[in-house]
Amino acid sequence: SQTIHQWPATLVQPVGSPLSLECTVEGTSNPNLYWYRQAAGRGLQLLFYSVGIGQISSEVPQNLSASRPQDRQFILSSKKLLLSDSGFYLCAWSVRGQETYNEQFFGPGTRLTVL
Amino acid sequence: AQSVAQPEDQVNVAEGNPLTVKCTYSVSGNPYLFWYVQYPNRGLQFLLKYITGDNLVKGSYGFEAEFNKSQTSFHLKKPSALVSDSALYFCAVRDVNAGNNRKLIWGLGTSLAVNP
Repeated sequence: SQTIHQWPATLVQPVGSPLSLECTVEGTSNPNLYWYRQAAGRGLQLLFYSVGIGQISSEVPQNLSASRPQDRQFILSSKKLLLSDSGFYLCAWSVRGQETYNEQFFGPGTRLTVL
Repeated sequence: AQSVAQPEDQVNVAEGNPLTVKCTYSVSGNPYLFWYVQYPNRGLQFLLKYITGDNLVKGSYGFEAEFNKSQTSFHLKKPSALVSDSALYFCAVRDVNAGNNRKLIWGLGTSLAVNP
């Protein structure tokens, strides 16, 4: 069965510090990968998605970047965090090639607080 | 423009009563619709989806959803609510614009509170 991991679970960082959040998927190959942010309240904002190694699509211009160094690894980064980067970050995956019909599967999330 | 609306920020029901969480959509072409649930400080869990076929879709944890094309709705339902159903519920629709079918368009979520 497939499993998706995210770490760390929680993170408190000062403004201006760097960020690295990691997501890995087990039990599948060639997945589509996604990074979402959920601000206080509830809405989900798609930040990045990737259809393959080194292929990143950015949805919203911002202080963050993403990379996919391996097939099942997706990393979210920032060189200098802003207060507005605080939120709940969710990684998700879906089966490539059947995107229209298939659901996305989510990781447990990382709660980021920037002080 | 394609969109999903969840018109209720919060729904309150008594345990044992039926529950409905509403969702309406606007897409061009055939809609591909999804419901997810999120418990506090957790990731989203997939509940069910409508792709084609029977308008009544059954999913996890006793939930079901009714697709209504004429009303462009996809309401989530459960015959008898449990306190443990209290959570945040999201409706989503597949973005069918060319080149964007990997993405979902999300509603803002509805907080369900089931009172004992």
